Amino acid sequence: QKEVEQDPGPLSVPEGAIVSLNCTYSNSAFQYFMWYRQYSRKGPELLMYTYSSGNKEDGRFTAQVDKSSKYISLFIRDSQPSDSATYLCAMFGGNEKLTFGTGTRLTIIP
Amino acid sequence: GAVVSQHPSRVICKSGTSVKIECRSLDFQATTMFWYRQFPKQSLMLMATSNEGSKATYEQGVEKDKFLINHASLTLSTLTVTSAHPEDSSFYICSARTGSYNEQFFGPGTRLTVL
Repeated sequence: QKEVEQDPGPLSVPEGAIVSLNCTYSNSAFQYFMWYRQYSRKGPELLMYTYSSGNKEDGRFTAQVDKSSKYISLFIRDSQPSDSATYLCAMFGGNEKLTFGTGTRLTIIP
Repeated sequence: GAVVSQHPSRVICKSGTSVKIECRSLDFQATTMFWYRQFPKQSLMLMATSNEGSKATYEQGVEKDKFLINHASLTLSTLTVTSAHPEDSSFYICSARTGSYNEQFFGPGTRLTVL
Protein backbone atom coordinates (compact mmCIF):
# COMPACT_ATOMS: atom_id res chain seq x y z
CA GLN A 1 0.00 0.00 0.00
CA LYS A 2 1.32 3.42 -0.94
CA GLU A 3 1.74 5.94 1.85
CA VAL A 4 -0.25 8.50 -0.12
CA GLU A 5 -3.07 7.60 -2.49
CA GLN A 6 -4.39 10.00 -5.09
CA ASP A 7 -6.74 9.33 -7.96
CA PRO A 8 -4.71 10.03 -11.12
CA GLY A 9 -7.78 11.02 -13.10
CA PRO A 10 -8.02 12.42 -15.68
CA LEU A 11 -10.74 14.69 -14.38
CA SER A 12 -12.65 16.97 -16.76
CA VAL A 13 -15.14 19.56 -15.57
CA PRO A 14 -16.87 22.51 -17.25
CA GLU A 15 -15.66 26.03 -16.63
CA GLY A 16 -17.19 27.57 -13.52
CA ALA A 17 -17.71 24.26 -11.74
CA ILE A 18 -16.39 23.45 -8.28
CA VAL A 19 -13.53 20.98 -8.40
CA SER A 20 -12.79 18.58 -5.56
CA LEU A 21 -9.40 16.86 -5.40
CA ASN A 22 -8.55 14.38 -2.68
CA CYS A 23 -5.76 12.33 -1.15
CA THR A 24 -5.70 9.70 1.54
CA TYR A 25 -2.67 8.67 3.51
CA SER A 26 -1.65 5.97 5.92
CA ASN A 27 1.20 7.50 7.94
CA SER A 28 -0.20 9.10 11.08
CA ALA A 29 3.10 10.97 11.55
CA PHE A 30 2.29 13.32 8.68
CA GLN A 31 1.50 16.78 10.02
CA TYR A 32 2.25 19.17 7.16
CA PHE A 33 0.11 19.02 4.05
CA MET A 34 0.58 20.75 0.75
CA TRP A 35 -1.01 21.05 -2.64
CA TYR A 36 1.09 21.74 -5.69
CA ARG A 37 0.00 22.61 -9.20
CA GLN A 38 2.18 21.43 -12.06
CA TYR A 39 1.75 22.54 -15.62
CA SER A 40 3.08 20.31 -18.37
CA ARG A 41 6.89 20.25 -18.45
CA LYS A 42 7.18 22.70 -15.57
CA GLY A 43 8.16 22.37 -11.93
CA PRO A 44 5.46 22.12 -9.24
CA GLU A 45 4.11 25.39 -7.85
CA LEU A 46 3.05 25.54 -4.21
CA LEU A 47 -0.66 26.38 -3.92
CA MET A 48 -1.63 25.65 -0.36
CA TYR A 49 0.20 24.69 2.81
CA THR A 50 -1.57 23.61 5.97
CA TYR A 51 -0.47 22.28 9.30
CA SER A 52 -2.54 19.64 11.09
CA SER A 53 -6.34 19.46 10.77
CA GLY A 54 -8.58 22.27 9.62
CA ASN A 55 -9.42 24.46 6.66
CA LYS A 56 -7.44 27.10 4.85
CA GLU A 57 -8.78 29.39 2.17
CA ASP A 58 -6.87 31.42 -0.39
CA GLY A 59 -8.94 33.07 -3.08
CA ARG A 60 -10.71 30.39 -5.09
CA PHE A 61 -8.80 27.59 -3.36
CA THR A 62 -9.71 25.87 -0.10
CA ALA A 63 -7.63 23.16 1.51
CA GLN A 64 -9.09 20.81 4.10
CA VAL A 65 -7.27 18.37 6.33
CA ASP A 66 -8.99 15.70 8.40
CA LYS A 67 -6.28 13.89 10.33
CA SER A 68 -8.75 11.57 12.06
CA SER A 69 -9.74 10.17 8.66
CA LYS A 70 -6.27 10.67 7.10
CA TYR A 71 -7.94 12.54 4.27
CA ILE A 72 -7.10 15.86 2.64
CA SER A 73 -8.94 17.82 -0.01
CA LEU A 74 -8.45 20.77 -2.30
CA PHE A 75 -11.47 22.64 -3.60
CA ILE A 76 -11.32 25.01 -6.53
CA ARG A 77 -14.28 27.36 -6.93
CA ASP A 78 -15.28 29.04 -10.18
CA SER A 79 -12.81 26.88 -12.09
CA GLN A 80 -11.05 28.46 -15.06
CA PRO A 81 -9.36 26.93 -18.12
CA SER A 82 -6.08 28.19 -16.69
CA ASP A 83 -6.59 25.82 -13.75
CA SER A 84 -6.01 22.89 -16.13
CA ALA A 85 -2.92 21.17 -14.76
CA THR A 86 -1.80 18.25 -12.66
CA TYR A 87 -2.44 18.70 -8.96
CA LEU A 88 -0.15 16.94 -6.52
CA CYS A 89 -0.79 16.47 -2.86
CA ALA A 90 2.30 16.21 -0.65
CA MET A 91 2.91 15.76 3.03
CA PHE A 92 5.57 15.16 5.62
CA GLY A 93 6.02 14.53 9.31
CA GLY A 94 9.02 14.34 11.55
CA ASN A 95 11.62 14.17 8.82
CA GLU A 96 11.96 16.70 6.08
CA LYS A 97 11.09 14.48 3.14
CA LEU A 98 7.96 15.19 1.17
CA THR A 99 5.84 12.23 0.17
CA PHE A 100 3.84 12.94 -2.96
CA GLY A 101 0.65 11.56 -4.34
CA THR A 102 0.69 10.46 -7.96
CA GLY A 103 -1.08 13.64 -9.06
CA THR A 104 -4.51 14.24 -10.62
CA ARG A 105 -4.70 15.56 -14.15
CA LEU A 106 -7.43 18.18 -14.31
CA THR A 107 -8.93 19.72 -17.44
CA ILE A 108 -11.35 22.64 -17.28
CA ILE A 109 -13.51 22.69 -20.38
CA PRO A 110 -14.40 26.20 -21.64
CA GLY B 1 9.58 35.72 -3.29
CA ALA B 2 10.78 32.11 -2.91
CA VAL B 3 11.99 31.72 -6.47
CA VAL B 4 14.11 28.76 -7.47
CA SER B 5 15.83 28.61 -10.83
CA GLN B 6 17.39 25.73 -12.71
CA HIS B 7 19.87 25.73 -15.54
CA PRO B 8 19.79 24.45 -18.17
CA SER B 9 16.09 23.97 -18.81
CA ARG B 10 16.81 21.37 -21.43
CA VAL B 11 19.87 19.38 -22.38
CA ILE B 12 20.57 16.73 -24.97
CA CYS B 13 23.79 14.77 -24.69
CA LYS B 14 25.49 11.70 -26.03
CA SER B 15 25.69 8.49 -24.05
CA GLY B 16 28.77 8.39 -21.85
CA THR B 17 29.06 12.11 -21.28
CA SER B 18 28.46 13.95 -18.01
CA VAL B 19 25.86 16.64 -17.50
CA LYS B 20 25.72 19.26 -14.75
CA ILE B 21 22.45 20.83 -13.64
CA GLU B 22 22.42 23.91 -11.42
CA CYS B 23 19.75 24.82 -8.90
CA ARG B 24 19.68 28.28 -7.36
CA SER B 25 17.49 29.92 -4.76
CA LEU B 26 17.23 33.50 -6.01
CA ASP B 27 15.76 35.44 -3.11
CA PHE B 28 16.32 33.32 -0.05
CA GLN B 29 18.95 31.16 1.55
CA ALA B 30 18.23 27.47 1.23
CA THR B 31 19.50 25.42 4.11
CA THR B 32 18.31 22.27 2.38
CA MET B 33 17.89 21.42 -1.27
CA PHE B 34 16.28 18.34 -2.74
CA TRP B 35 16.70 16.64 -6.09
CA TYR B 36 13.85 14.74 -7.73
CA ARG B 37 13.31 12.98 -11.00
CA GLN B 38 10.00 12.59 -12.71
CA PHE B 39 9.08 10.21 -15.48
CA PRO B 40 6.20 11.03 -17.85
CA LYS B 41 2.81 10.99 -16.16
CA GLN B 42 4.37 9.91 -12.88
CA SER B 43 4.91 11.67 -9.60
CA LEU B 44 8.17 13.07 -8.28
CA MET B 45 10.68 10.61 -6.90
CA LEU B 46 13.13 11.97 -4.36
CA MET B 47 16.71 11.20 -5.31
CA ALA B 48 18.70 12.95 -2.61
CA THR B 49 18.69 15.60 0.08
CA SER B 50 21.55 18.02 0.38
CA ASN B 51 22.44 20.40 3.17
CA GLU B 52 24.88 23.22 2.62
CA GLY B 53 28.42 22.22 3.41
CA SER B 54 27.75 18.55 4.01
CA LYS B 55 27.45 15.38 1.97
CA ALA B 56 24.16 14.61 0.32
CA THR B 57 21.89 11.88 1.62
CA TYR B 58 20.75 9.59 -1.15
CA GLU B 59 17.54 7.62 -1.30
CA GLN B 60 17.65 3.88 -1.55
CA GLY B 61 18.44 2.73 -5.05
CA VAL B 62 20.05 6.00 -6.18
CA GLU B 63 23.71 5.60 -7.10
CA LYS B 64 25.68 8.34 -5.38
CA ASP B 65 28.66 7.86 -7.70
CA LYS B 66 26.46 8.37 -10.72
CA PHE B 67 24.45 11.31 -9.44
CA LEU B 68 26.96 13.66 -7.83
CA ILE B 69 25.48 16.41 -5.71
CA ASN B 70 27.32 19.45 -4.46
CA HIS B 71 25.75 22.07 -2.20
CA ALA B 72 28.57 24.55 -1.91
CA SER B 73 26.57 27.58 -0.80
CA LEU B 74 23.21 28.50 0.67
CA THR B 75 21.93 29.47 -2.77
CA LEU B 76 23.43 26.88 -5.09
CA SER B 77 23.28 23.12 -5.46
CA THR B 78 24.44 21.13 -8.47
CA LEU B 79 23.55 17.69 -9.74
CA THR B 80 26.01 16.01 -12.09
CA VAL B 81 24.85 12.97 -14.00
CA THR B 82 28.05 11.10 -14.77
CA SER B 83 28.46 8.78 -17.74
CA ALA B 84 24.87 9.36 -18.75
CA HIS B 85 22.92 6.60 -20.49
CA PRO B 86 19.57 6.69 -22.28
CA GLU B 87 17.80 5.31 -19.21
CA ASP B 88 18.89 8.47 -17.34
CA SER B 89 16.68 10.52 -19.65
CA SER B 90 14.12 12.15 -17.40
CA PHE B 91 12.83 15.40 -15.96
CA TYR B 92 15.03 16.50 -13.06
CA ILE B 93 13.59 18.96 -10.58
CA CYS B 94 15.21 20.59 -7.60
CA SER B 95 13.54 22.19 -4.64
CA ALA B 96 14.76 24.40 -1.84
CA ARG B 97 13.63 24.80 1.72
CA THR B 98 14.30 27.70 4.04
CA GLY B 99 15.20 27.29 7.65
CA SER B 100 12.15 29.21 8.85
CA TYR B 101 9.39 27.40 7.06
CA ASN B 102 8.72 23.88 5.97
CA GLU B 103 7.53 24.62 2.46
CA GLN B 104 9.59 23.39 -0.43
CA PHE B 105 9.80 25.65 -3.46
CA PHE B 106 10.51 23.95 -6.74
CA GLY B 107 12.58 24.92 -9.71
CA PRO B 108 11.17 24.76 -13.25
CA GLY B 109 12.93 21.48 -13.98
CA THR B 110 15.55 20.28 -16.44
CA ARG B 111 14.68 17.87 -19.18
CA LEU B 112 17.60 15.57 -19.90
CA THR B 113 17.69 13.50 -23.06
CA VAL B 114 20.56 11.07 -23.51
CA LEU B 115 21.01 9.80 -27.03
